[in-house]
Amino acid sequence: SQTIHQWPATLVQPVGSPLSLECTVEGTSNPNLYWYRQAAGRGLQLLFYSVGIGQISSEVPQNLSASRPQDRQFILSSKKLLLSDSGFYLCAWGRQGLDYGYTFGSGTRLTVV
Amino acid sequence: AQRVTQPEKLLSVFKGAPVELKCNYSYSGSPELFWYVQYSRQRLQLLLRHISRESIKGFTADLNKGETSFHLKKPFAQEEDSAMYYCALSGRNTGNQFYFGTGTSLTVIP
Repeated sequence: SQTIHQWPATLVQPVGSPLSLECTVEGTSNPNLYWYRQAAGRGLQLLFYSVGIGQISSEVPQNLSASRPQDRQFILSSKKLLLSDSGFYLCAWGRQGLDYGYTFGSGTRLTVV
Repeated sequence: AQRVTQPEKLLSVFKGAPVELKCNYSYSGSPELFWYVQYSRQRLQLLLRHISRESIKGFTADLNKGETSFHLKKPFAQEEDSAMYYCALSGRNTGNQFYFGTGTSLTVIP
């Protein structure tokens, strides 16, 4: 069966420090991968998605970047965190065609201090 | 442009009462609609898909193309239904992504 792993669960980082959140999927190949940010009152905001290795689409300009170095690995990064980057980040995967919806990771609570 | 609207941020109902979480969408083409749920301290998960015409945990949702709605309904709410609910849309015109509504927080009062 397919599983999705996301870590760390919580992270406290100082302003200006780098960020690396990792997401991996098991049990499937060539998944679509997504990074979302969940904010109260704003719902789920799509940040990046990827349909294949090295293919990244960005939905909103921001201080973050994403990479997909391997088929089942999706990384969310920042060179210098801002206070406004604080939030709850969710990774998700879906099959091509999206008929079966997404499967979400357990999320990372990022607090920038 | 694609859009999903959940007009109610907060919704409270008494246990045993009917509940309806509203979802309206804007999409040119044939959409695929979904409801996701996030219980306290759990990950966001798929609740149901319109294409399956299924009933999950007593919830149903009917796609009404005329009213462009996909409201989630349950005839008798239970305390364990308290959660955050998101309506989502995908389709050929959305590329490889879903569009989510802003969510409705449902509280079932015992």
